[in-house]
Amino acid sequence: GQNIDQPTEMTATEGAIVQINCTYQTSGFNGLFWYQQHAGEAPTFLSYNVLDGLEEKGRFSSFLSRSKGYSYLLLKELQMKDSASYLCAVRDLNQAGTALIFGKGTTLSVSS
Amino acid sequence: DTGVSQNPRHKITKRGQNVTFRCDPISEHNRLYWYRQTLGQGPEFLTYFQNEAQLEKSRLLSDRFSAERPKGSFSTLEIQRTEQGDSAMYLCASSSSAIGTNSYEQYFGPGTRLTVT
Repeated sequence: GQNIDQPTEMTATEGAIVQINCTYQTSGFNGLFWYQQHAGEAPTFLSYNVLDGLEEKGRFSSFLSRSKGYSYLLLKELQMKDSASYLCAVRDLNQAGTALIFGKGTTLSVSS
Repeated sequence: DTGVSQNPRHKITKRGQNVTFRCDPISEHNRLYWYRQTLGQGPEFLTYFQNEAQLEKSRLLSDRFSAERPKGSFSTLEIQRTEQGDSAMYLCASSSSAIGTNSYEQYFGPGTRLTVT
Protein backbone atom coordinates (compact mmCIF):
# COMPACT_ATOMS: atom_id res chain seq x y z
CA GLY A 1 0.00 0.00 0.00
CA GLN A 2 1.73 3.16 -1.14
CA ASN A 3 -0.22 5.28 1.33
CA ILE A 4 0.69 3.21 4.38
CA ASP A 5 4.10 3.27 6.04
CA GLN A 6 5.43 0.93 8.70
CA PRO A 7 8.95 -0.19 9.61
CA THR A 8 10.24 -3.13 7.63
CA GLU A 9 11.82 -5.04 10.49
CA MET A 10 11.97 -4.99 14.28
CA THR A 11 13.65 -7.20 16.84
CA ALA A 12 12.88 -7.75 20.50
CA THR A 13 13.49 -10.24 23.29
CA GLU A 14 11.11 -12.55 25.10
CA GLY A 15 9.12 -10.82 27.83
CA ALA A 16 9.71 -7.35 26.42
CA ILE A 17 7.25 -4.82 25.02
CA VAL A 18 7.37 -3.68 21.40
CA GLN A 19 5.49 -0.93 19.58
CA ILE A 20 4.96 -1.10 15.84
CA ASN A 21 4.03 2.22 14.28
CA CYS A 22 1.95 2.84 11.18
CA THR A 23 1.17 6.08 9.35
CA TYR A 24 -1.39 6.36 6.60
CA GLN A 25 -3.08 8.73 4.18
CA THR A 26 -6.68 8.24 3.08
CA SER A 27 -9.50 10.35 1.68
CA GLY A 28 -12.37 8.19 2.94
CA PHE A 29 -11.09 6.66 6.18
CA ASN A 30 -13.33 3.96 7.58
CA GLY A 31 -11.19 1.98 9.96
CA LEU A 32 -7.67 0.78 10.69
CA PHE A 33 -6.78 -2.86 11.12
CA TRP A 34 -3.85 -4.90 12.34
CA TYR A 35 -3.28 -8.43 11.10
CA GLN A 36 -0.66 -11.00 12.07
CA GLN A 37 0.84 -13.24 9.43
CA HIS A 38 3.19 -16.13 10.12
CA ALA A 39 5.43 -17.19 7.27
CA GLY A 40 3.53 -19.20 4.68
CA GLU A 41 0.19 -18.70 6.39
CA ALA A 42 -2.86 -16.50 5.90
CA PRO A 43 -3.22 -13.19 7.78
CA THR A 44 -5.23 -13.40 10.98
CA PHE A 45 -7.16 -10.49 12.47
CA LEU A 46 -5.75 -8.79 15.57
CA SER A 47 -7.51 -5.48 16.04
CA TYR A 48 -9.77 -2.80 14.61
CA ASN A 49 -9.89 0.93 15.40
CA VAL A 50 -12.32 3.38 13.89
CA LEU A 51 -12.40 5.99 16.67
CA ASP A 52 -9.43 7.68 18.33
CA GLY A 53 -7.97 5.96 21.33
CA LEU A 54 -6.66 2.70 22.61
CA GLU A 55 -8.23 -0.73 22.12
CA GLU A 56 -6.87 -3.44 24.39
CA LYS A 57 -7.19 -7.15 23.81
CA GLY A 58 -5.06 -9.32 26.06
CA ARG A 59 -1.37 -8.84 25.37
CA PHE A 60 -2.11 -6.77 22.27
CA SER A 61 -3.30 -3.14 22.15
CA SER A 62 -3.87 -0.85 19.21
CA PHE A 63 -4.02 2.94 19.18
CA LEU A 64 -5.44 5.32 16.60
CA SER A 65 -5.15 9.07 16.01
CA ARG A 66 -7.22 9.98 12.96
CA SER A 67 -6.05 13.61 12.92
CA LYS A 68 -2.43 12.49 12.72
CA GLY A 69 -3.03 9.53 10.42
CA TYR A 70 -1.21 7.38 12.94
CA SER A 71 -1.65 4.06 14.66
CA TYR A 72 0.48 1.71 16.69
CA LEU A 73 0.25 -1.90 17.75
CA LEU A 74 1.63 -2.65 21.20
CA LEU A 75 2.67 -6.18 22.06
CA LYS A 76 3.39 -6.96 25.71
CA GLU A 77 5.09 -9.93 27.36
CA LEU A 78 6.53 -11.03 24.05
CA GLN A 79 6.70 -14.74 23.31
CA MET A 80 8.70 -16.57 20.66
CA LYS A 81 5.47 -17.39 18.83
CA ASP A 82 4.92 -13.65 18.28
CA SER A 83 7.65 -13.75 15.65
CA ALA A 84 5.66 -12.91 12.53
CA SER A 85 4.82 -10.17 10.08
CA TYR A 86 2.42 -7.51 11.38
CA LEU A 87 0.31 -5.86 8.73
CA CYS A 88 -1.29 -2.44 9.12
CA ALA A 89 -4.31 -1.94 6.85
CA VAL A 90 -6.91 0.76 6.30
CA ARG A 91 -10.37 0.79 4.83
CA ASP A 92 -10.74 3.74 2.49
CA LEU A 93 -14.23 3.96 1.05
CA ASN A 94 -12.98 6.23 -1.75
CA GLN A 95 -10.34 3.77 -2.91
CA ALA A 96 -11.59 0.23 -2.53
CA GLY A 97 -14.93 0.24 -0.78
CA THR A 98 -14.90 -2.14 2.15
CA ALA A 99 -11.73 -3.90 0.99
CA LEU A 100 -8.49 -3.39 2.90
CA ILE A 101 -5.42 -1.51 1.76
CA PHE A 102 -2.38 -3.06 3.38
CA GLY A 103 1.04 -1.77 4.23
CA LYS A 104 4.09 -3.87 3.42
CA GLY A 105 4.20 -5.34 6.89
CA THR A 106 6.68 -5.27 9.75
CA THR A 107 8.65 -8.46 10.35
CA LEU A 108 9.10 -8.92 14.08
CA SER A 109 11.76 -11.30 15.35
CA VAL A 110 11.57 -12.32 19.00
CA SER A 111 14.68 -13.89 20.48
CA SER A 112 15.26 -15.62 23.81
CA ASP B 1 -17.87 -24.32 9.28
CA THR B 2 -14.11 -24.61 9.13
CA GLY B 3 -13.42 -21.21 7.62
CA VAL B 4 -12.48 -19.94 4.18
CA SER B 5 -11.11 -22.61 1.86
CA GLN B 6 -9.19 -22.20 -1.37
CA ASN B 7 -8.28 -24.63 -4.12
CA PRO B 8 -5.80 -25.53 -5.33
CA ARG B 9 -3.24 -24.66 -2.67
CA HIS B 10 -0.42 -24.66 -5.21
CA LYS B 11 -0.40 -24.23 -8.96
CA ILE B 12 2.55 -24.35 -11.33
CA THR B 13 1.84 -23.31 -14.89
CA LYS B 14 3.71 -22.31 -17.98
CA ARG B 15 3.66 -18.78 -19.30
CA GLY B 16 0.71 -18.20 -21.59
CA GLN B 17 -1.56 -20.77 -19.99
CA ASN B 18 -4.87 -19.94 -18.28
CA VAL B 19 -5.46 -20.78 -14.63
CA THR B 20 -8.54 -20.73 -12.42
CA PHE B 21 -8.68 -20.64 -8.63
CA ARG B 22 -11.64 -21.30 -6.39
CA CYS B 23 -12.62 -19.77 -3.06
CA ASP B 24 -15.32 -21.03 -0.71
CA PRO B 25 -16.10 -18.38 1.90
CA ILE B 26 -17.55 -18.90 5.35
CA SER B 27 -21.11 -19.97 4.58
CA GLU B 28 -23.01 -17.05 6.11
CA HIS B 29 -20.67 -14.40 4.73
CA ASN B 30 -22.03 -12.30 1.89
CA ARG B 31 -18.85 -10.34 1.15
CA LEU B 32 -15.91 -11.92 -0.63
CA TYR B 33 -12.54 -10.37 -1.48
CA TRP B 34 -9.58 -11.39 -3.62
CA TYR B 35 -6.08 -10.19 -2.81
CA ARG B 36 -2.64 -10.93 -4.23
CA GLN B 37 0.52 -11.05 -2.13
CA THR B 38 4.12 -11.22 -3.28
CA LEU B 39 7.12 -11.93 -1.08
CA GLY B 40 7.89 -9.14 1.36
CA GLN B 41 4.74 -7.21 0.54
CA GLY B 42 1.34 -6.88 2.13
CA PRO B 43 -1.74 -8.24 0.38
CA GLU B 44 -2.89 -6.12 -2.57
CA PHE B 45 -6.61 -5.72 -3.20
CA LEU B 46 -7.87 -7.15 -6.51
CA THR B 47 -11.66 -7.27 -6.39
CA TYR B 48 -14.66 -7.51 -4.09
CA PHE B 49 -18.15 -9.05 -4.24
CA GLN B 50 -21.22 -8.47 -2.18
CA ASN B 51 -23.44 -11.48 -2.82
CA GLU B 52 -23.13 -12.10 -6.57
CA ALA B 53 -22.40 -8.47 -7.49
CA GLN B 54 -18.82 -7.40 -8.18
CA LEU B 55 -18.76 -4.00 -6.49
CA GLU B 56 -15.12 -2.99 -6.63
CA LYS B 57 -12.23 -3.79 -8.89
CA SER B 58 -8.70 -2.49 -8.45
CA ARG B 59 -7.51 -0.09 -11.13
CA LEU B 60 -4.31 -2.11 -11.16
CA LEU B 61 -6.14 -5.26 -12.20
CA SER B 62 -5.19 -6.32 -15.70
CA ASP B 63 -7.96 -7.28 -18.13
CA ARG B 64 -6.40 -10.75 -18.15
CA PHE B 65 -7.93 -11.21 -14.70
CA SER B 66 -11.60 -11.99 -14.23
CA ALA B 67 -13.59 -13.05 -11.20
CA GLU B 68 -17.07 -14.41 -10.76
CA ARG B 69 -19.40 -15.29 -7.93
CA PRO B 70 -22.40 -16.59 -9.84
CA LYS B 71 -24.62 -17.73 -6.97
CA GLY B 72 -23.30 -15.50 -4.26
CA SER B 73 -21.46 -18.38 -2.59
CA PHE B 74 -18.12 -19.62 -3.97
CA SER B 75 -16.01 -17.47 -6.26
CA THR B 76 -13.53 -18.16 -9.03
CA LEU B 77 -10.59 -16.06 -10.15
CA GLU B 78 -9.27 -16.70 -13.65
CA ILE B 79 -6.00 -15.45 -15.08
CA GLN B 80 -5.65 -15.68 -18.83
CA ARG B 81 -2.34 -15.82 -20.71
CA THR B 82 -0.33 -15.96 -17.49
CA GLU B 83 2.93 -14.04 -17.20
CA GLN B 84 5.86 -14.59 -14.86
CA GLY B 85 4.86 -11.43 -13.02
CA ASP B 86 1.61 -13.12 -12.02
CA SER B 87 3.54 -15.44 -9.70
CA ALA B 88 2.19 -14.69 -6.22
CA MET B 89 -0.01 -15.93 -3.42
CA TYR B 90 -3.68 -15.33 -4.22
CA LEU B 91 -5.69 -14.83 -1.05
CA CYS B 92 -9.43 -14.90 -0.62
CA ALA B 93 -11.21 -13.36 2.36
CA SER B 94 -14.82 -13.14 3.45
CA SER B 95 -16.90 -11.09 5.85
CA SER B 96 -20.50 -10.50 6.78
CA SER B 97 -22.43 -7.24 6.51
CA ALA B 98 -25.24 -8.53 8.72
CA ILE B 99 -26.24 -6.41 11.69
CA GLY B 100 -24.89 -7.78 14.93
CA THR B 101 -21.79 -9.29 13.36
CA ASN B 102 -18.26 -7.96 13.35
CA SER B 103 -18.73 -6.82 9.79
CA TYR B 104 -15.33 -5.15 9.71
CA GLU B 105 -13.44 -8.41 10.27
CA GLN B 106 -12.24 -10.23 7.18
CA TYR B 107 -11.34 -13.90 7.48
CA PHE B 108 -8.63 -15.06 5.13
CA GLY B 109 -8.24 -18.40 3.43
CA PRO B 110 -4.89 -20.23 3.20
CA GLY B 111 -4.26 -18.91 -0.31
CA THR B 112 -3.29 -20.40 -3.66
CA ARG B 113 0.38 -20.08 -4.52
CA LEU B 114 0.84 -19.58 -8.25
CA THR B 115 4.18 -20.12 -9.93
CA VAL B 116 4.45 -19.20 -13.61
CA THR B 117 7.49 -20.69 -15.33
